[in-house]
Amino acid sequence: GNSVTQMEGPVTLSEEAFLTINCTYTATGYPSLFWYVQYPGEGLQLLLKATKADDKGSNKGFEATYRKETTSFHLEKGSVQVSDSAVYFCALSPRNSGNTPLVFGKGTRLSVIA
Amino acid sequence: ETGVTQSPTHLIKTRGQQVTLRCSSQSGHNTVSWYQQALGQGPQFIFQYYREEENGRGNFPPRFSGLQFPNYSSELNVNALELDDSALYLCASSSRQEIYGYTFGSGTRLTVV
Repeated sequence: GNSVTQMEGPVTLSEEAFLTINCTYTATGYPSLFWYVQYPGEGLQLLLKATKADDKGSNKGFEATYRKETTSFHLEKGSVQVSDSAVYFCALSPRNSGNTPLVFGKGTRLSVIA
Repeated sequence: ETGVTQSPTHLIKTRGQQVTLRCSSQSGHNTVSWYQQALGQGPQFIFQYYREEENGRGNFPPRFSGLQFPNYSSELNVNALELDDSALYLCASSSRQEIYGYTFGSGTRLTVV
């Protein structure tokens, strides 16, 4: 079946530190991959996505590259800010369609301290 | 362009009761999905509706049911509430024509006591 595994948190970093949150997946075929962010008390917001192997998604300084050979989609940011404190979810969509249910990882809580 | 609106934002129910959660889809979206997010976990897919019919279901019992209306708004109904049903319930709207265009609401926090 389809599944997503991401590193457990919480992750605590100082402002301007480098961030990596690991994500690996298991899926049949060629899924699309996503990172969602959830700020306290809010729903999910799409952070970035990649739809095929070697694609790089990027947004707000965050990046992730779709690595088919390692079935990974690690999230990185070169310099985190306090405002990046949130829970980050890696997710996959098994098919290239706007109505295919998402499969989420358990989430990684990031706390950035000044 | 309006987003996805869910109501209520919070509610508390007693075990055995029934609850209805509501979701207004983003304008132009014809598909709605519901997810359950237990504390400290990732969202789990409950079911999806397209053109007022259920179009996919996750591993949830039949006491979880839903409706989609002609204006694409939706309801999630849960009967015979159990303590483990306490969670954040998220609604996401999308369009079959727009790949990856999921828009999530802020959720309804349900507490069962």
